[in-house]
Amino acid sequence: GAGVSQSPSNKVTEKGKDVELRCDPISGHTALYWYRQSLGQGLEFLIYFQGNSAPDKSGLPSDRFSAERTGGSVSTLTIQRTQQEDSAVYLCASSLGSRGSVNTEAFFGQGTRLTVV
Amino acid sequence: AQSVTQPDIHITVSEGASLELRCNYSYGATPYLFWYVQSPGQGLQLLLKYFSGDTLVQGIKGFEAEFKRSQSSFNLRKPSVHWSDAAEYFCAVGPFQGGKLIFGQGTELSVKP
Repeated sequence: GAGVSQSPSNKVTEKGKDVELRCDPISGHTALYWYRQSLGQGLEFLIYFQGNSAPDKSGLPSDRFSAERTGGSVSTLTIQRTQQEDSAVYLCASSLGSRGSVNTEAFFGQGTRLTVV
Repeated sequence: AQSVTQPDIHITVSEGASLELRCNYSYGATPYLFWYVQSPGQGLQLLLKYFSGDTLVQGIKGFEAEFKRSQSSFNLRKPSVHWSDAAEYFCAVGPFQGGKLIFGQGTELSVKP
């Protein structure tokens, strides 16, 4: 597609339920990132995929959070047993860059707004 | 530890007035610095970036930023603000550990007619 696509755009879920957030990166982009944007907290790095390399999971806040990237393209972020503090906007980004590259711009999707009630 | 501080949570300027958004960073070496803009309900768009060389960087939409090593700052400026500039602005430093950026908390810009 023309840009990074995320679905759903909004998700309301009950505390304790599992949710899956989807990201379709720009075709041909090998790098994919997930960030979390909480109110007043800025953007928090969650996880990074680059090609077939093992993902950098250093930002995942707990073992309830996981992500996978199938076929080097679409990525799914899964949050198990959701808590109210998981409420945030989850942003996905992709870029052409190889690991550590700064010379390629990261393009962001519009995000998924997750509300845990 | 690496960090980015945007001291102003919210700024209001009149349309046509000049703008400066502040960004201070903490990093042990020369950083790569970025400014992103986020309009309501939208993702982030890159305004400009600094890697090396000329410390005054020009970006899109008439924005510029100046890297000042002595002050650990990378302030964003625009000489004349338009109503469409109302948005949230994020300063970021990176990449670390393979590509991640560290973002400031953002500055929300409101523009008065």
